[in-house]
Amino acid sequence: QVQLVESGGGVVQPGRSLRLSCAASGFTFSSYDLHWVRQAPGKGLEWVAVISHDGSNKYYSDSVKGRVTISRDNSKNTLYVQMNSLRGEDTAVYYCARDMGPGTTSLDYWGQGTLITVSS
Amino acid sequence: SSELTQDPAVSVALGQTVRITCQGDSLRSYYASWSQQRPGQAPVLVISGKNNRPSGIPDRFSGSSSGNTASLTITGAQAEDEADYFCNSRDSSGYRLVFGGGTKLTVL
Repeated sequence: QVQLVESGGGVVQPGRSLRLSCAASGFTFSSYDLHWVRQAPGKGLEWVAVISHDGSNKYYSDSVKGRVTISRDNSKNTLYVQMNSLRGEDTAVYYCARDMGPGTTSLDYWGQGTLITVSS
Repeated sequence: SSELTQDPAVSVALGQTVRITCQGDSLRSYYASWSQQRPGQAPVLVISGKNNRPSGIPDRFSGSSSGNTASLTITGAQAEDEADYFCNSRDSSGYRLVFGGGTKLTVL
């Protein structure tokens, strides 16, 4: 079965960096675009970034552009997001999610999320 | 604009029908997807495309769309349907996603 497992969250001071990972299994990883979506405590979902199946296309939300880099290693079935210059407003649960594919707008599988808390 | 607007909260009596709506310009070009999120859990896709339910999603969930408005209808709401519901679509890039603010559904 499809599984997405995030890791790497924790408490980090403002201005520092953190890299999240998302280990995938149960599907052909290299065939799917993948997203990071975050959710601040008590708030809604906010799309963060997407990477195409082969890593050739990357897009970011305006709120993280320039501070965040999405990447993937198809040989390791792992998705990453490098987050720099972290701010209090980056405090959130970060989910990785699989894009259902062209012609859809759906994320059909989500990980359980990993929490980043930005605090001094 | 790539924003999607949802009512913050909706309530429904047990066994009755409820419609949750999502409005935005991007819905004129792309179908909305709908996800359910129970407290403390990750979101779960309930409707994709025109009106497609992933495996395991009860058939009381259905989707529809007209113009710039998409709707999620639950026919015969159950207690376990009490959750937050989020719509999402894509923006003009075809890659970026945009989410609605979410609707908290209370089943009375």
